[in-house]
Amino acid sequence: GDSVTQMEGPVTLSEEAFLTINCTYTATGYPSLFWYVQYPGEGLQLLLKATKADDKGSNKGFEATYRKETTSFHLEKGSVQVSDSAVYFCALSVGNYGQNFVFGPGTRLSVLP
Amino acid sequence: DGGITQSPKYLFRKEGQNVTLSCEQNLNHDAMYWYRQDPGQGLRLIYYSQIVNDFQKGDIAEGYSVSREKKESFPLTVTSAQKNPTAFYLCASSMQDYGYTFGSGTRLTVV
Repeated sequence: GDSVTQMEGPVTLSEEAFLTINCTYTATGYPSLFWYVQYPGEGLQLLLKATKADDKGSNKGFEATYRKETTSFHLEKGSVQVSDSAVYFCALSVGNYGQNFVFGPGTRLSVLP
Repeated sequence: DGGITQSPKYLFRKEGQNVTLSCEQNLNHDAMYWYRQDPGQGLRLIYYSQIVNDFQKGDIAEGYSVSREKKESFPLTVTSAQKNPTAFYLCASSMQDYGYTFGSGTRLTVV
């Protein structure tokens, strides 16, 4: 079945460090790919998405490129801030509705001042 | 602004009680979902609905029930049959594969 694998957390970085959170996927069809962010005590917010190969999603300084050849969608940010501390979920969607929407386990990021 | 509203934000349940979590959306999305999140864990799908008056079980439906009488509303009842209901519950909606919009969650605690 479809699945998403993320790097194990927690990830701890100093402010202004470079961030990479790896995400790879397995899908039977041609998925759309997403990154969601969850701040403490809140729901998930869509951070960025890409719907076809080589698309780059970007938002708030975060970027991820849809790599079909490596089945990956790694999240990057050039300079993290303390306010970026959160849990990040990689997800894929195949088909029209969320019964085929699969989330990764999440990666907790802590940014220290 | 369009969005999803979950209420209440915090809910306490006594042993043997049924409780109902509310989820309302004004996004005109067809599909709605309920997820459970345990501390430090990912999301597990409880139920989902693609259309009014129809819903399907997810991975962990036992001890839960839902209804979808209106497009805007998808309430979740946690029954006494759910032996370990303490968790954070998230409702979401979607339109085709544009991704999910999530509510802010309800934290349920058994007392």
